Amino acid sequence: KQEVTQIPAALSVPEGENLVLNCSFTDSAIYNLQWFRQDPGKGLTSLLLIQSSQREQTSGRLNASLDKSSGRSTLYIAASQPGDSATYLCAVINNAGNMLTFGGGTRLMVKP
Amino acid sequence: DTEVTQTPKHLVMGMTNKKSLKCEQHMGHRAMYWYKQKAKKPPELMFVYSYEKLSINESVPSRFSPECPNSSLLNLHLHALQPEDSALYLCASSRQGSSGRRATGELFFGEGSRLTVL
Repeated sequence: KQEVTQIPAALSVPEGENLVLNCSFTDSAIYNLQWFRQDPGKGLTSLLLIQSSQREQTSGRLNASLDKSSGRSTLYIAASQPGDSATYLCAVINNAGNMLTFGGGTRLMVKP
Repeated sequence: DTEVTQTPKHLVMGMTNKKSLKCEQHMGHRAMYWYKQKAKKPPELMFVYSYEKLSINESVPSRFSPECPNSSLLNLHLHALQPEDSALYLCASSRQGSSGRRATGELFFGEGSRLTVL
């Protein structure tokens, strides 16, 4: 059974800092990996999708990498802003492409 | 249009009530999902519909009854719920593959329906 772990569970940084969120998974036979952002009490916003054949994806200040063989993905946030404060979830998509397994999330607080 | 719309945003119901949650998308996605999320926990999969047919049921109690009346709509019928069923219920959709090409599996989520069972 696939297990997804995110470290750290919570992170507090000053504004402007570059930071890295980590995601690890136990079964490397994944189809794709997706990073989400969730604000309190809200739904999930898709940030980046990395297909299993890709090594990284970039969107603005966000860069996500994927190393399937080691079962790891990282989300790099450059020049963090208070508006980045949210919970960040990674999820791996199984090979059938119909089921996501979520990590526990990292709660990020960016202080002004 | 990359929106998944869920109604109602908030619902309070008693344990003997019957209510429904609704989800709608117009992205042409043929896979739709219900997830349940408790506070400070990741979403947990409940049901998956593929081409309007139930393809995955994650051993959800029968007091939750999903329905997919057409390719754009997904309902979750609620009956005789328990207080521990109080949670954020999230709907999501994704594109299915076609003509031998696999879809990416990327999910798009709605804002959720906050359910409180008294």
